[in-house]
Amino acid sequence: AQSVTQLDSQVPVFEEAPVELRCNYSSSVSVYLFWYVQYPNQGLQLLLKYLSGSTLVKGINGFEAEFNKSQTSFHLRKPSVHISDTAEYFCAVAGPGANNLFFGTGTRLTVIP
Amino acid sequence: NAGVTQTPKFRILKIGQSMTLQCAQDMNHNYMYWYRQDPGMGLKLIYYSVGAGITDKGEVPNGYNVSRSTTEDFPLRLELAAPSQTSVYFCASNLEGAHNEQFFGPGTRLTVL
Repeated sequence: AQSVTQLDSQVPVFEEAPVELRCNYSSSVSVYLFWYVQYPNQGLQLLLKYLSGSTLVKGINGFEAEFNKSQTSFHLRKPSVHISDTAEYFCAVAGPGANNLFFGTGTRLTVIP
Repeated sequence: NAGVTQTPKFRILKIGQSMTLQCAQDMNHNYMYWYRQDPGMGLKLIYYSVGAGITDKGEVPNGYNVSRSTTEDFPLRLELAAPSQTSVYFCASNLEGAHNEQFFGPGTRLTVL
């Protein structure tokens, strides 16, 4: 079975500073990895995903993530955050051929002016 | 396209009452999902469907039922509501399989008193 751990429940960061949101996964097989974002009072939307190939994945809104198989990690980064990035971010994992995702508990990013 | 729509947006139930949460999508997606989101817990899969007439349990199916008579609709039924079912419920859909982006509805906030 697959699972993900998001190590930080809340991350405050000043506007225009860099940010890293951490995600570690657990799986005995190869995996697909995702980051979703949830803005206040909305559903989730996909930021980026890793299926195979290049370990550096670029997503929307300037976010990127790096798949690290040896450390079983898929950390999300942005070099300079904006107020509008304030949201909750969820890491998720699925195994090949799986029908569903397993979500982490989420990291609330707060960008401080 | 309206995408994924959910009704109602809010609902308060008394213990023991029943209700149906509605979900519809107009993207001709085969796969549909129901999640619940509780603070600090992330999203947990309740049920999912891989096509009309086919449903399967997720991580937390107890107290819920689903049906899928058409491609577009995937209602979630709560029988004998309990305070533990107080949550925000999200419906999602995608084309096929966990590796594809899931599109989420805006959610239904349910309170059971």
